[in-house]
Amino acid sequence: QSVMTQPPSVSGTPGQRVVISCSGSSSNIGGNTVNWYQQLPGRAPKLLMYSDHERTSWVPDRFSGSKSGTSASLAISGLQSEDEADYYCASWDDSLSGWVFGGGTKVAVL
Amino acid sequence: EVHLVESGGGLIHPGGSLRLSCETSGFTFRSYWMHWVRQAPGKGLEWVSRIDNDGRGTRYADFVRGRFTISRDNDNNRLYLQMNNLRVDDTAVYYCATPIVLQAPWGQGTLVTVAS
Repeated sequence: QSVMTQPPSVSGTPGQRVVISCSGSSSNIGGNTVNWYQQLPGRAPKLLMYSDHERTSWVPDRFSGSKSGTSASLAISGLQSEDEADYYCASWDDSLSGWVFGGGTKVAVL
Repeated sequence: EVHLVESGGGLIHPGGSLRLSCETSGFTFRSYWMHWVRQAPGKGLEWVSRIDNDGRGTRYADFVRGRFTISRDNDNNRLYLQMNNLRVDDTAVYYCATPIVLQAPWGQGTLVTVAS
């Protein structure tokens, strides 16, 4: 069971907006920044978002991140077929003195 | 450009040992903490261990503490994970990773399969 909670799956049609939530605690999200990873099938995870809402260089502005309290979210606007992937939230955990990950969310484009 | 290349995985019997290696390049290795993360087949990401830049500070996930040892060679830019008393549920792809600040891509990982 993951330290941080994500929905197992979300889906949408092309062009729609979907949101992935990530719920943590005061020892991780509540006191540290959140990062998001995208993992395409059969590939290594890639850093998508860091410091709550900063996109890495390859990420289009359809992706946005936010955080409030002990929860964070990743929004994908204008959903495209290439966005089908698993998405993981991650944060530093002060109690663990290490990283913690959410369980991952599979995004399906219908 | 940062490159991470993991190696050392393979098929091992329960109770056996393996030593994973991560060859790094493209950044000042000795200046950064490093991590191991694993992913069991069809499952999510799990943080395994981290080591600070001079190797004196280490931390482990509960499920590996006492069995795995992280270490590093700052002269040769390599990270290691010594895995002892392996269990079937240690089966996973193991990735080494740099701190988020580097925004560096992960390697392809090395697959460890523990089976009888």
